[in-house]
Amino acid sequence: GAGVSQSPRYKVTKRGQDVALRCDPISGHVSLYWYRQALGQGPEFLTYFNYEAQQDKSGLPNDRFSAERPEGSISTLTIQRTEQRDSAMYRCASSLGQGTSGANVLTFGAGSRLTVL
Amino acid sequence: AQSVTQLDSHVSVSEGTPVLLRCNYSSSYSPSLFWYVQHPNKGLQLLLKYTSAATLVKGINGFEAEFKKSETSFHLTKPSAHMSDAAEYFCVVGERYGNKLVFGAGTILRVKS
Repeated sequence: GAGVSQSPRYKVTKRGQDVALRCDPISGHVSLYWYRQALGQGPEFLTYFNYEAQQDKSGLPNDRFSAERPEGSISTLTIQRTEQRDSAMYRCASSLGQGTSGANVLTFGAGSRLTVL
Repeated sequence: AQSVTQLDSHVSVSEGTPVLLRCNYSSSYSPSLFWYVQHPNKGLQLLLKYTSAATLVKGINGFEAEFKKSETSFHLTKPSAHMSDAAEYFCVVGERYGNKLVFGAGTILRVKS
């Protein structure tokens, strides 16, 4: 597609429920990233994929969080047994190549805003 | 470890006056540095990027930033603010051989008419 598409744009759920957030990257982009942005803060790295391989998941806060990208395109971020502290904007980004240097640039989606009641 | 400090959480300027958004970084290596802008209900948009070529980097919409290694700064400037510049701006440092971006806390720019 023309840009990075995320769905749902808004999700309100009750504590304890599971949620799945979807990211559809720009066609042909090799790398896919998930970031989380709490209110009043900058985005924080969660995880990174190169094609279908999850290369770095060091930013996932605990084992309730998981992500997959089974065919190297669309990715899903899943949060199990949600807690109120999980409320945030979840942002996906994709890039044509790997890394943050040189000509490689990350393109971000509009985000999925999660509210856990 | 890399980090970014944006020195002002809010900046207010009048339309037509200069803009200065301040950023200091910490990095063990020559970093990649970026400025992103976030308009309400929109994705983060890249304004400009420094990757060890010219120290003065020109970006979109008339913005530019200067990399000063001695001051570990990467301040964002624009000669004349426009109402459409009102948004939140993030200074970002990238791992030299990695894939993570480290964001500052953001500066909200308000432009008064």
